[in-house]
This record gives sequence, structure tokens and C-alpha cells, in this order.
Amino acid sequence: AQSVAQPEDQVNVAEGNPLTVKCTYSVSGNPYLFWYVQYPNRGLQFLLKYITGDNLVKGSYGFEAEFNKSQTSFHLKKPSALVSDSALYFCAVRDPVNTDKLIFGTGTRLQVFP
Amino acid sequence: KAGVTQTPRYLIKTRGQQVTLSCSPISGHRSVSWYQQTPGQGLQFLFEYFSETQRNKGNFPGRFSGRQFSNSRSEMNVSTLELGDSALYLCASSTGQFTDTQYFGPGTRLTVL
Repeated sequence: AQSVAQPEDQVNVAEGNPLTVKCTYSVSGNPYLFWYVQYPNRGLQFLLKYITGDNLVKGSYGFEAEFNKSQTSFHLKKPSALVSDSALYFCAVRDPVNTDKLIFGTGTRLQVFP
Repeated sequence: KAGVTQTPRYLIKTRGQQVTLSCSPISGHRSVSWYQQTPGQGLQFLFEYFSETQRNKGNFPGRFSGRQFSNSRSEMNVSTLELGDSALYLCASSTGQFTDTQYFGPGTRLTVL
């Protein structure tokens, strides 16, 4: 069965420093991978996705993610964090062999300190 | 294009009552998925409707049901409410292709007293 893990409940980073939010997955085939961000009392906003092709995916607000098949990871990165990046981040996976649903990780709270 | 809209935004109900939530997808989108978000369980998939048919279903009791209309608008119903049903209910729309992005609405905050 497909699954996705976000091993860190919270990530703290100083403004201006690079940030990484980790995500690993388990699927039977090649995965479709997504990152979303949620601000307080709001729905989820799409950041980026990997379907096929280049392993480095660039998305909204300066975020990017690298698909690593050997490590089954899809970590979210940003070269320079902003205080406004503070939010809840979700990784999600869809298994193209068993494409019945999009499975979300438990979320990682990113706190960027000024 | 207008985004996904959900009504109402907030609801307060008591145990035993039933509730209906509404979701209007992005124009042209034929798939609507529903999720329940709670602090303890995270984001849990409820069901997906595509062209008025339930295409996928999560592991929720039969008290949770939904439907989709010919204009792709969707409703979700919860009967015999329990305290544990208090959650943020999110709907997401997409074209229905499995590679497509799901776009989320702002959610309906349901509180069961």
C-alpha cells in the first residue's frame, strides 16, 4: 500500500537561511508526488509536483523539491527562508499503479524566526 | 478563474444531528474529493466523485456520504453527528486525471457539541 512519511513534526530555521522539509514515500510503482502548504484557518495551497522528467522541480514562492528514487524521497527546499514561509507543509503521494487516492503525510510545521 | 468555494465556512451542531456541506469546484473540473482534517488524524481521504459517480472511497463509516451534481458541484452529508466528527472538512477539485493537481477550497469548520 502507498504511504508517505514526514519525519519531522516541526522545523525551525532563521530567516535568510536555507530550509529543508523532509518527505519519504512508499509506492509500488513510480510515484506522483505533491507538496502543499497550509496557512492558519485556510485550505491547502499547491506548491509543486513531480510526475516524470527532471528530478528537480521548481514551484511557487521560490520553493523547489528533488525527487530521489533510490532514497524514495521528495524533500522540499528553499535557498533563503522568509518569516512569511511559516506554515504547515504537507507532502502527498499518488501511486500510478493503484491510483485510487492521494495520500497525505502528517504535515511539518515550519517556523521561520526573524 | 474562480477558485474552489465551500459553504458554509463554519458550522456548529449538536450530537445526533445531521449536516450537509457544499463544494463548488473550479470551472471545468469534473472531480471533487473530500478530506477530513483533525489535529490527531491529520488529513484523511473521505471520497472522490467524478462525473456524478463515486470513484473512490476512504475508510469512514456509512454516516458519511456524498453526491455530485451534473454541474460538478458536490455535497457531503454526515448523519448522526458524533463529537469526533468535529474537524475541518476540505474539498478539492481537479480535472480528474491522476497526474493533475488537486486545488483545495478554504474548508468548512464543523464543531459538534
